[in-house]
Amino acid sequence: GENVEQHPSTLSVQEGDSAVIKCTYSDSASNYFPWYKQELGKGPQLIIDIRSNVGEKKDQRIAVTLNKTAKHFSLHITETQPEDSAVYFCAASRGGAQKLVFGQGTRLTINP
Amino acid sequence: NAGVTQTPKFQVLKTGQSMTLQCAQDMNHEYMSWYRQDPGMGLRLIHYSVGAGITDQGEVPNGYNVSRSTTEDFPLRLLSAAPSQTSVYFCASSYSGGGANEQYFGPGTRLTVT
Repeated sequence: GENVEQHPSTLSVQEGDSAVIKCTYSDSASNYFPWYKQELGKGPQLIIDIRSNVGEKKDQRIAVTLNKTAKHFSLHITETQPEDSAVYFCAASRGGAQKLVFGQGTRLTINP
Repeated sequence: NAGVTQTPKFQVLKTGQSMTLQCAQDMNHEYMSWYRQDPGMGLRLIHYSVGAGITDQGEVPNGYNVSRSTTEDFPLRLLSAAPSQTSVYFCASSYSGGGANEQYFGPGTRLTVT
């Protein structure tokens, strides 16, 4: 089955700097790669996703890139702000948003 | 819309006790699922349902039962709780099929088994 590895497990950056979180997946048939943000005491919330027929997607300060050949995808956050502090999860699946396999999570801390 | 709701928020059980975690959604989503979240392991799929009357196992189904009698509700049953089931449980829902099918997560239930 699918296996998703996520790095780093913790990341601390200065406010205004960029943050990058990376994930690798094992199943070449996976075609949907979402990123979720989880704030303390809440459920995960989708922030951006990408499908296998696209190499990059951007939404304001966040972007995701996908390298199908290498089977890895990354989340990029630019101009980080204190409210970006949270745990971020990547995930992969063969069938859209169903049956997601999650990475281990990255705790991002933005230092003022 | 209330979205995805879960009850209770917190629960403490003794080993061997049974309980049901409740999940409801008011978005008319066909697909519902249960995940457990453990430190350093992300979220792992327990069971899922593609519609009323249809359920299937996920990655870690042992020790859990589900049923789906209505579109709105998808309860998770622990028949005989074990300390290994101490975790935070999340219910999620989405539309089925292709296109925009974002999964919406509930606020979670924190379960401790002693």
